[in-house]
Amino acid sequence: DAGVTQSPTHLIKTRGQQVTLRCSPKSGHDTVSWYQQALGQGPQFIFQYYEEEERQRGNFPDRFSGHQFPNYSSELNVNALLLGDSALYLCASSDTRGTYNSPLHFGNGTRLTVT
Amino acid sequence: GQQLNQSPQSMFIQEGEDVSMNCTSSSIFNTWLWYKQDPGEGPVLLIALYKAGELTSNGRLTAQFGITRKDSFLNISASIPSDVGIYFCAGYPNSMNYGGSQGNLIFGKGTKLSVKP
Repeated sequence: DAGVTQSPTHLIKTRGQQVTLRCSPKSGHDTVSWYQQALGQGPQFIFQYYEEEERQRGNFPDRFSGHQFPNYSSELNVNALLLGDSALYLCASSDTRGTYNSPLHFGNGTRLTVT
Repeated sequence: GQQLNQSPQSMFIQEGEDVSMNCTSSSIFNTWLWYKQDPGEGPVLLIALYKAGELTSNGRLTAQFGITRKDSFLNISASIPSDVGIYFCAGYPNSMNYGGSQGNLIFGKGTKLSVKP
């Protein structure tokens, strides 16, 4: 049973560029959430996708956008990259068909470095 | 915004010792989760708690959901070298019930467990 998979594992981009990160949820899960984890900090919620729509959003600018596909996989896009966007980006999946507060299962993340 | 205060920030363990860490909030949470994160990996779920007063074990790990719903603790008994890593508490605030979808899972800043030199 495959868990949450993310690609790529590492990425180096230049300030001002755009980046797309990808995530496949755990088998049987229909909801995908994205988190940003700065060094030495806990993950911070970016947004959540369910039924191909953004369901909730954290305190992140519009430069951060996403998409969910019919097979539940998801993409995170960041435009006009800033140095401060350097972080580990985590994807988490969950099954909303159970209780609303089901635990999130995380992938191993994409390490983004902006130079 | 809502925050979780996790303590201690770091601690050193010697094999065989018991370890305790806790998490507090100024507001009520209706779910508490404990995760462990190893270098280069994502957080892995250790224990989930859903009811005030609930005490749940997972092997040598025991966690409790505080009666006030504003705190939780995690104990590790008889620690072993592979227990080193960063432990995060996380929770869903009481206000985040979106009727079928999870709300914003809020994380503490983590407790870093290292081996005593």
